[in-house]
Amino acid sequence: AQTVTQSQPEMSVQEAETVTLSCTYDTSESNYYLFWYKQPPSRQMILVIRQEAYKQQNATENRFSVNFQKAAKSFSLKISDSQLGDTAMYFCAFVGIQGAQKLVFGQGTRLTINP
Amino acid sequence: IAGITQAPTSQILAAGRRMTLRCTQDMRHNAMYWYRQDLGLGLRLIHYSNTAGTTGKGEVPDGYSVSRANTDDFPLTLASAVPSQTSVYFCASRKDREGTEAFFGQGTRLTVV
Repeated sequence: AQTVTQSQPEMSVQEAETVTLSCTYDTSESNYYLFWYKQPPSRQMILVIRQEAYKQQNATENRFSVNFQKAAKSFSLKISDSQLGDTAMYFCAFVGIQGAQKLVFGQGTRLTINP
Repeated sequence: IAGITQAPTSQILAAGRRMTLRCTQDMRHNAMYWYRQDLGLGLRLIHYSNTAGTTGKGEVPDGYSVSRANTDDFPLTLASAVPSQTSVYFCASRKDREGTEAFFGQGTRLTVV
C-alpha cells in the first residue's frame, strides 16, 4: 500500500525567506504522480505543483519548486521569497497510474510566514 | 453547478443516527474520493471510486459506506454515527488515469454528539 509521510507538523519562517517542506512516500509502482496542495484557513484545497515520476527534471511554478529524488522516494517543496499569503497547511499527495489509483495524502505541515 | 459540491456544509448529529453526506460533480471526472481531515492526521482516504459502478476501500473505511450509481454523484453514508466520526469531510474528483489534479468540495464539518 502506498503511504505518504510528512515529518514536520509545523514550520515558521520570516517573510522573504526560503523554506523547504519535506515529504517521503512508499510505493512499489514505477510510474506515478506526486502533488503538493495548499490549504489556507478557508479550507479550500489548492494545487501548488505536480511531478510525474518519469520526468527527471524537477517541477517549478514561479516561487515554488520541488526536489524529487525517486530512488530515495523523497519529494520536498521549496518556497522562495516567502509571502504572508503562503501561510497555510501544505499536503503532499501520491497517486499511481496502475491498479487502484488511490490518491493518498500525508499528515500535512502547518506553515506560518511571519512579517 | 460548477465543479464539485458537497452538502451539507455543517451538521450536528446525534450518536446512533444515520447520515448521508452528498457529493456531486459536473466535470465528468471518472475518479472520486472521500476523505476525513483531523488535526495532526492530515487527509485520510475513506473510500474511493475509479469509475461509475465500482468502489474501493481506503485507509479508514469502517463505519462508512459509499455508492457510485452514476458518474456525477458519490454519497457517503454513516450507518450509525459515533463521536469518533466527528471530523471535516472532503469529497474530491479527478480525471481517470492521467496525472491530473484533484478538485475538492468545500468540505462538511460533522459533529457527532
